[in-house]
Amino acid sequence: EADIYQTPRYLVIGTGKKITLECSQTMGHDKMYWYQQDPGMELHLIHYSYGVNSTEKGDLSSESTVSRIRTEHFPLTLESARPSHTSQYLCASSGSGWGHSNQPQHFGDGTRLSIL
Amino acid sequence: AQKITQTQPGMFVQEKEAVTLDCTYDTSDQSYGLFWYKQPSSGEMIFLIYQGSYDEQNATEGRYSLNFQKARKSANLVISASQLGDSAMYFCAMRPTDSWGKLQFGAGTQVVVTP
Repeated sequence: EADIYQTPRYLVIGTGKKITLECSQTMGHDKMYWYQQDPGMELHLIHYSYGVNSTEKGDLSSESTVSRIRTEHFPLTLESARPSHTSQYLCASSGSGWGHSNQPQHFGDGTRLSIL
Repeated sequence: AQKITQTQPGMFVQEKEAVTLDCTYDTSDQSYGLFWYKQPSSGEMIFLIYQGSYDEQNATEGRYSLNFQKARKSANLVISASQLGDSAMYFCAMRPTDSWGKLQFGAGTQVVVTP
């Protein structure tokens, strides 16, 4: 079973607040990802990281930012939350090495964010 | 650019019956991986099964099997002996070998298993 954790699980907060969504994994994976998903819709990659001090923007433009100071930790921050940020945010990680293309991404349980 | 197409937005299936979920993909890469994930209403993504583009045999994992037809660029998921707990959203995803792990997801298929 994958060991990747996201907190909080649910967050309801007012407009203009600064938010940090936490994601940690204990598998030593070098690659980590953040996805945004509206209810019943497909996942969109918003950020990814290949390792410490490496972060890249994904396919979907996002006002959020990420950091990767430690291998196991990949937090996502919204400086000023808006109702348009209401969505589910899923964090994932995957390993490297021989046959890395067949390494599945392991997902956390997600954070359901609602901005009032 | 890669594209994943899941043409069935929703399906009903009776308990104990088999169901096939369609997935087609578009890529010019020769080497890639195909994945299926299950997402229950609680929201987490659960990895089900993997198929490599060079694998000669169709992948199987318990009640899940993948009907891989490379020439047709399709990777359909077959769930045998459906259970009520199989009710969920199912996503097909593809990863080119040189994509550094990034996945491209389809729009998903909602499966409802009825007694």
